[in-house]
Amino acid sequence: GENVEQHPSTLSVQEGDSAVIKCTYSDSASNYFPWYKQELGKRPQLIIDIRSNVGEKKDQRIAVTLNKTAKHFSLHITETQPEDSAVYFCAASGFYGGATNKLIFGTGTLLAVQP
Amino acid sequence: EAQVTQNPRYLITVTGKKLTVTCSQNMNHEYMSWYRQDPGLGLRQIYYSMNVEVTDKGDVPEGYKVSRKEKRNFPLILESPSPNQTSLYFCASSLSPTGTQETQYFGPGTRLLVL
Repeated sequence: GENVEQHPSTLSVQEGDSAVIKCTYSDSASNYFPWYKQELGKRPQLIIDIRSNVGEKKDQRIAVTLNKTAKHFSLHITETQPEDSAVYFCAASGFYGGATNKLIFGTGTLLAVQP
Repeated sequence: EAQVTQNPRYLITVTGKKLTVTCSQNMNHEYMSWYRQDPGLGLRQIYYSMNVEVTDKGDVPEGYKVSRKEKRNFPLILESPSPNQTSLYFCASSLSPTGTQETQYFGPGTRLLVL
């Protein structure tokens, strides 16, 4: 089945610096790639997503890139702020066989933004 | 207010004592799902439901049951809980019956400890 690997597991940056989190997936049937942010003690919330017909998507300080050939996708956060500190999860979704599709999550990256 | 609710939020129980965690959404969503979150493992899908009376196994269904008798409710049942089911559980829903190709709305989570 599909497997999503996420790196790094922890990331510490200075306020104002950029942060990059990378994910790889194994199944070429994956065609939807969301990113979720989970603050301490809170529920995961979607922050950005990208579909396989698009190579890059940007929303203010966050952007996601997708390389279908290499099966890589990445989250980029620019001008980081302390409120960006959280655990970030990548995920991949596709029809892997069966009547519906699955959402497979990476193992998460703890981002700490130092003021 | 559009939301996914779960109850209870915290639960301590003993091995073998049946329990139910309720999940309810008020957004008329077709797709509902249960995940468990464990350190270093990310979010793993337990069961999902595409609509009333339609449920299927996710990646880690052993030891769990679900039902979908009404569109808004999707309870998770542990018939005979064991310590390895100690985890943080999230219910999620999305609009489309295909479920995972769009935003998942997560409940607040239920932290379960099985002694």
